[in-house]
Amino acid sequence: AQSVAQPEDQVNVAEGNPLTVKCTYSVSGNPYLFWYVQYPNRGLQFLLKYITGDNLVKGSYGFEAEFNKSQTSFHLKKPSALVSDSALYFCAVRDDAGKSTFGDGTTLTVKP
Amino acid sequence: DTAVSQTPKYLVTQMGNDKSIKCEQNLGHDTMYWYKQDSKKFLKIMFSYNNKELIINETVPNRFSPKSPDKAHLNLHINSLELGDSAVYFCASSQGRALAYEQYFGPGTRLTVT
Repeated sequence: AQSVAQPEDQVNVAEGNPLTVKCTYSVSGNPYLFWYVQYPNRGLQFLLKYITGDNLVKGSYGFEAEFNKSQTSFHLKKPSALVSDSALYFCAVRDDAGKSTFGDGTTLTVKP
Repeated sequence: DTAVSQTPKYLVTQMGNDKSIKCEQNLGHDTMYWYKQDSKKFLKIMFSYNNKELIINETVPNRFSPKSPDKAHLNLHINSLELGDSAVYFCASSQGRALAYEQYFGPGTRLTVT
């Protein structure tokens, strides 16, 4: 069975500093990996995905993620955090049946 | 133009009642989903339909019954509501069932059972 782990419940960074939200996964077969963001009282929004190709994937709002097959990780990064990036972030992996398994989420707080 | 819409946004009801949540997408997508997000924000898939056909049916009580009248709509009916059903329910859609497609989520329906 596939699984996703987001080891940090909470990440705090100062505005302007780089941020990293961690994700590790376990899946049989090729990994299809996604990051979503959820703002308060809103639905999830797609940020980026890794399907194949370059290990560094660029997405919305200046976010990027690095796929590392040997470490089975897909960490979300941004070079310079904004206060408006504060939200709940979910990593997800999709299995061969098309079912998405989401991590437990990481709350990112960016302080001015 | 709302891509994935859900009604109602809030639903407060008593134990034992039956209620429905409706979802519509105007993206032309073939695949739709229902997710449950509990009070700890954990997100779990419940059902998925592809072109009106049920393709994912997770371990969900029989009291929950999805219905897809056409590929743009996916409704969720819940019988005999229980306190533990209180959660936010999200509808989502994707272009197809292929693994590469990301999902687009609706705004959620906050269900409170008293």
